[in-house]
Order: sequence, then structure tokens, then C-alpha cells
Amino acid sequence: GQSLEQPSEVTAVEGAIVQINCTYQTSGFYGLSWYQQHDGGAPTFLSYNGLDGLEETGRFSSFLSRSDSYGYLLLQELQMKDSASYFCAAGAYGGATNKLIFGTGTLLAVQP
Amino acid sequence: DTGVSQNPRHKITKRGQNVTFRCDPISEHNRLYWYRQTLGQGPEFLTYFQNEAQLEKSRLLSDRFSAERPKGSFSTLEIQRTEQGDSAMYLCASSLGGLAGDTGELFFGEGSRLTVL
Repeated sequence: GQSLEQPSEVTAVEGAIVQINCTYQTSGFYGLSWYQQHDGGAPTFLSYNGLDGLEETGRFSSFLSRSDSYGYLLLQELQMKDSASYFCAAGAYGGATNKLIFGTGTLLAVQP
Repeated sequence: DTGVSQNPRHKITKRGQNVTFRCDPISEHNRLYWYRQTLGQGPEFLTYFQNEAQLEKSRLLSDRFSAERPKGSFSTLEIQRTEQGDSAMYLCASSLGGLAGDTGELFFGEGSRLTVL
């Protein structure tokens, strides 16, 4: 089957660092993406790992370990505007298909 | 605005009626996806087009759902004989696939919210 697991909720304070973990079980896996979605908004792309290791984009970093079927998103210097849902998504090939399978999401609440 | 456009943004219908949603992807994108999202859940894959060819349809999708992408440009998603369980946000996304490889980046529209009474 295809499944991704991530914590349902995380709470942190402004200025702190938070890590959101994701484990996946996906056939045809080729990479792990992260998306942010504010309440009522569209999912927006944050980061992608096609290879093992760390990718850094400003305050956000993402990590992938294929051998462990595991990844995480690291958010540094948290700001109130980072309060949103965060989804990991596994890229999967299947025949002629190329699609993203999304996790159930982690609701991040940043407190002052 | 050259992003992904969806309409209508909101649709309220009575059970048993048919509804159709339209998606206009970013113009140069050859890949188009439909996802469904309910409250507190992640986007759930429905179907995938590469140009005008529908290459996959989720097994979770009943025969009441049909999607088209004539000429490889805009796409429509039709739901026939709607049921209350169809109430959700229907998201369209597009991307550019090619020899450069896959980057895991989809560009989503704002979605079409369906409420079935």
C-alpha cells in the first residue's frame, strides 16, 4: 500500500526550532516533498529531497533517509505566520504515472 | 496572474445533481492532477493527465466521477448524482515534467469547495 505517517499536531513558541517527522511506505518511491497549507488556502511547495541528506532553503530544511523510509522538515526561527498545516508527500512512479501521495498533515501552532 | 485557476470556487448543490469543476493549469505545464481534500486530511489523489491522456484514475473513485483534458490544456472534473460524501475541496495541480527529472513540486489552485445538501 501507500501510506505516510506524521504527527497530527505540534506546538512551539516564536523563535524556536521545530522538527516534523514523516515515515513513508510507498511503492515506486522517488523523492519526498513538503508542502505548507494555511487555513482555507492552497498547498504551497516548500522543499524536495530526491537524494539522501539535508536540503536547506532559508529558515526551512528537509532531510531524507531512504534506508529508513524517513524524512523530516526543520523550521527554524519560528514566526507566527508559520502557523499552518504541513504535509509530507511521497513522489511515486507507477507504470506511466507520476504522482504525489500526501500524508495526513501536521498542524503547527506557533505561540507568542 | 499566471497560476493555476479553478472555478467555481464554491458550489452548493442538492444530492443527486451533477456538478462540473474547471481547472486552467499554468500554460506550459504538461501534467495535471486532481486531488480531493476533506477537513483535517491531506490531499487525496484522484486522477492524473499527461497532456491530453488520462494515465491514472484512483481506485477510490467511483464511476460517478469523470475527468477530461481536451487538447491538453484546461481540465474538467464532473461528478454525477452527487452524494453527501462527495462534499470536499477539489484541488487541481499542474507541473512540468521532462528530461530534467521530477522535483516533487506541484502548483496548486485555490480549489473548488463542494457542499452537497
